[in-house]
Amino acid sequence: GENVEQHPSTLSVQEGDSAVIKCTYSDSASNYFPWYKQELGKRPQLIIDIRSNVGEKKDQRIAVTLNKTAKHFSLHITETQPEDSAVYFCAAIQYGNKLVFGAGTILRVKS
Amino acid sequence: EAGVTQFPSHSVIEKGQTVTLRCDPISGHDNLYWYRRVMGKEIKFLLHFVKESKQDESGMPNNRFLAERTGGTYSTLKVQPAELEDSGVYFCASSQVPGENSPLHFGNGTRLTVT
Repeated sequence: GENVEQHPSTLSVQEGDSAVIKCTYSDSASNYFPWYKQELGKRPQLIIDIRSNVGEKKDQRIAVTLNKTAKHFSLHITETQPEDSAVYFCAAIQYGNKLVFGAGTILRVKS
Repeated sequence: EAGVTQFPSHSVIEKGQTVTLRCDPISGHDNLYWYRRVMGKEIKFLLHFVKESKQDESGMPNNRFLAERTGGTYSTLKVQPAELEDSGVYFCASSQVPGENSPLHFGNGTRLTVT
């Protein structure tokens, strides 16, 4: 089955700096990679996703890149703000199958 | 649109007791999932319902866990008898269709503590 590794487990950045979270997956058949953000005490919410036929996707300050050959994908947050502080989860899925999540990254943005 | 709701938000029980968690998915979502996160680890899949049928229950830890979705609406997850290692946050999620064509909508989770 699919296995997703996520790094780092914690990340502290200064407000305004960029943050990068990296994930690797094991199953080359996986074709959809969403990212979820969970603020303290709240539910995980989808913030961006990418499909295997795309190498990069951007939404304002958030971007995701995918390298299918290396089987890794990354979340990039630019110009970080205190409200970006949360736990971020990457995930991978094969068509029609369940999501497999990474262990999460605690992002702290210091003001 | 009302989101996925879970009840209770917190539960503290003693080892050996029984707890039942409830999930109300978004109306019209046939697909309902249960996930669990043990502190510091990944959100781990438990099982997947399509309407009232169990599509995939490969993530259920053992036979102390029983999930039901009678009538294809809300779902319950019963842990009986609870053990210390069952502590964690139990998330329910729903979607219109499985997979990439319909994102998962999560509930706020139930934090279960077994003492």
